[in-house]
Amino acid sequence: QKEVEQNSGPLSVPEGAIASLNCTYSDRGSQSFFWYRQYSGKSPELIMFIYSNGDKEDGRFTAQLNKASQYVSLLIRDSQPSDSATYLCAVSSSGYSTLTFGKGTMLLVSP
Amino acid sequence: DAGVIQSPRHEVTEMGQEVTLRCKPISGHDYLFWYRQTMMRGLELLIYFNNNVPIDDSGMPEDRFSAKMPNASFSTLKIQPSEPRDSAVYFCASSFWGNTNEKLFFGSGTQLSVL
Repeated sequence: QKEVEQNSGPLSVPEGAIASLNCTYSDRGSQSFFWYRQYSGKSPELIMFIYSNGDKEDGRFTAQLNKASQYVSLLIRDSQPSDSATYLCAVSSSGYSTLTFGKGTMLLVSP
Repeated sequence: DAGVIQSPRHEVTEMGQEVTLRCKPISGHDYLFWYRQTMMRGLELLIYFNNNVPIDDSGMPEDRFSAKMPNASFSTLKIQPSEPRDSAVYFCASSFWGNTNEKLFFGSGTQLSVL
């Protein structure tokens, strides 16, 4: 049974701070890692993906992957109230396989 | 493109009734997924299709659930008979082979309430 674990939160940060969201996964064969953002009452949307160990930056977002520790994280710099949402970590194995989602971490950014 | 289109947006029904959820994927996408989301279990994959053929339905909770994809532009998820524990948000998503980031495009979802 492939599992993806996230702290449900809420994670509360003030505007302008760095928000750090974490995710662990059970399947060592996992090769692709994704972060989806879901606003309340809306559908998930992809914001970041990472395949290799290390950091990947895209604007204010940085995804970090450590396959040895089976750990993925998402950093959001200069957090804005508009970043308040639930962040879903998703993992897939080699080739084209289906995604396994974590239950998500709720992020609240206060003005 | 209009994106993935789901209908209805909201469905309220009574226990024992048949419920049919509909999905139109993005044109050109050859993968279609049905997910269910609840607070307790998160986002769960129910079934997915490739080129209109069901590939994996191991996530379908029981025989009361069935899904079809008669053509590349339409899919249905049917629950018969419905039960209160089926209450959830049901998402349809599509994607295409060769999309190396395996990006799923989600529809707006159907909020199902079974009374």
